[in-house]
Amino acid sequence: DAGVIQSPRHEVTEMGQEVTLRCKPISGHDYLFWYRQTMMRGLELLIYFNNNVPIDDSGMPEDRFSAKMPNASFSTLKIQPSEPRDSAVYFCASSPVGLRFNEQFFGPGTRLTVL
Amino acid sequence: GEDVEQSLFLSVREGDSSVINCTYTDSSSTYLYWYKQEPGAGLQLLTYIFSNMDMKQDQRLTVLLNKKDKHLSLRIADTQTGDSAIYFCAERAGGGNKLTFGTGTQLKVEL
Repeated sequence: DAGVIQSPRHEVTEMGQEVTLRCKPISGHDYLFWYRQTMMRGLELLIYFNNNVPIDDSGMPEDRFSAKMPNASFSTLKIQPSEPRDSAVYFCASSPVGLRFNEQFFGPGTRLTVL
Repeated sequence: GEDVEQSLFLSVREGDSSVINCTYTDSSSTYLYWYKQEPGAGLQLLTYIFSNMDMKQDQRLTVLLNKKDKHLSLRIADTQTGDSAIYFCAERAGGGNKLTFGTGTQLKVEL
């Protein structure tokens, strides 16, 4: 298996533009997580899905952020409009049901820079 | 609420042991984890411990859990330059699948 796939790996955009980050989880995994990593705040959970349904979005910073999972093999995180303070590395992770210890498998991340 | 804290930085010499510490606040934690993040990469699970265990050993890694003090540690024996990375502890509370990660400890291994 190729692991969790994220695209793009790097994104540079200007303030006010719409940004869409994409994630393909590992096949057969039922859980999908979106995290944001910054020097100031560390690793923050933004939202997670179970069987394509959002379960907890309490970490989504504000209405400019939205996430969807239209099917089991694809999820998007959208920021509209983007702001410089959104600059961070965004990770997607997936996790299978059945493992008692619930290992999360992380993608390589998308480094977002908003100018 | 859930809060996980770690020291930010640790420097050791190659061949020495490294001990990375973590404290957490949620007494209902069921599993505790150590993840490793190498530069430019995502996090990767190193090891985990169930809350009814005090110790777990896996090759060069030893995890110690003190539930009374809510303290978790990771010991890396014979630390190598390839161990240089950021190490995150994380807790899973109750039956949920949500993990709370610590701030991460940057381990630097010097020759």
